[in-house]
Amino acid sequence: KAGVTQTPRYLIKTRGQQVTLSCSPISGHRSVSWYQQTPGQGLQFLFEYFSETQRNKGNFPGRFSGRQFSNSRSEMNVSTLELGDSALYLCASSSTLAAGSYEQYFGPGTRLTVT
Amino acid sequence: DQQVKQNSPSLSVQEGRISILNCDYTNSMFDYFLWYKKYPAEGPTFLISISSIKDKNEDGRFTVFLNKSAKHLSLHIVPSQPGDSAVYFCAASVNTDKLIFGTGTRLQVFP
Repeated sequence: KAGVTQTPRYLIKTRGQQVTLSCSPISGHRSVSWYQQTPGQGLQFLFEYFSETQRNKGNFPGRFSGRQFSNSRSEMNVSTLELGDSALYLCASSSTLAAGSYEQYFGPGTRLTVT
Repeated sequence: DQQVKQNSPSLSVQEGRISILNCDYTNSMFDYFLWYKKYPAEGPTFLISISSIKDKNEDGRFTVFLNKSAKHLSLHIVPSQPGDSAVYFCAASVNTDKLIFGTGTRLQVFP
């Protein structure tokens, strides 16, 4: 079974631009969560989608948004990029309704650099 | 407010010995805990989990201990192997809500 895939793997953007990241979950998984990883901060939860609906949201500004399609693929968008948005963005999928009670399977991440 | 804390940013252990990674939490409502391992350039991979109704869960060389009164979680790896060298994250959730991760501990296992 193929794992979670994320595209692109690396991205360099300029401050003020916007960016869209993509995540394809494991086949059959309906829950997709997004995380931001920065040095010293661990993994910060961004949001979770299940069946095209956002079920949970972390404490990030409205510049961070996401969506999920009917095939469970998910996209994350960051508008008006800031230098502090430079991070590794991880996507995780889960087969259960509740992403927190069972293990999540992570993709390799997208490394975003904002200059 | 960091609800899940891993106070040791790094740990160095000799091959064959025990590795003990620690995690403290502040939210007494957490009812599920997980450990993940992360290699460079890869996403975290699930290792082991424990429900708050238990105080120990074992899977091969990995054992997780939960002390609810102390709000403390630990991961024991016995025996440690060089391939265990990675960053380890603990995570917790409340009633199947989102996962809250710690900041990670970098484990290095040397020969």
